[in-house]
Amino acid sequence: KQEVTQIPAALSVPEGENLVLNCSFTDSAIYNLQWFRQDPGKGLTSLLLIQSSQREQTSGRLNASLDKSSGRSTLYIAASQPGDSATYLCAVRGGGADGLTFGKGTHLIIQP
Amino acid sequence: DTEVTQTPKHLVMGMTNKKSLKCEQHMGHRAMYWYKQKAKKPPELMFVYSYEKLSINESVPSRFSPECPNSSLLNLHLHALQPEDSALYLCASSQMGLSYEQYFGPGTRLTVT
Repeated sequence: KQEVTQIPAALSVPEGENLVLNCSFTDSAIYNLQWFRQDPGKGLTSLLLIQSSQREQTSGRLNASLDKSSGRSTLYIAASQPGDSATYLCAVRGGGADGLTFGKGTHLIIQP
Repeated sequence: DTEVTQTPKHLVMGMTNKKSLKCEQHMGHRAMYWYKQKAKKPPELMFVYSYEKLSINESVPSRFSPECPNSSLLNLHLHALQPEDSALYLCASSQMGLSYEQYFGPGTRLTVT
């Protein structure tokens, strides 16, 4: 059974810092990996999708990397802003599941 | 348009009620999903409709019943729920196939009293 772990569980940093969120998964037989953002009580906003054949994807200040063989992904956020405060979820497709398997998320607070 | 809509936004129901949650997308996607998210937990897959076939997470109790009237609509029928079923219910859709991005709706906040 696929298991997804996210580290750290929570992170609080001053505005302007660059930061890295980590995701690991136990079964490397994945089709893709998605990073999501979730604001309190809201749905999920897809940030980046990385296919299993890709190494990284970029969108604005966000960069996600994937090392499928080692079962790891990182989300890099450059020049953080208070509006980036949210819970960031990593999810993988594959490893025997029909849908996405999610990590527990990283709760991020950017201090003004 | 990458929007998935869900109605209602909030629902309070008693344990003897029957209610339905609705999900709609107009992106031409042929795969749709229901996820359940308890407070401070990650979403967990409940059902998948793909190729007009239903896949069920075996741990989901029979008091939850999905229905897919057409490729744009997905309903979740609720009957005889328990207080522990209170959660955020999220709908998602994607193109057919395992490599495509999933788009999520805003969710329905369900409270069972």
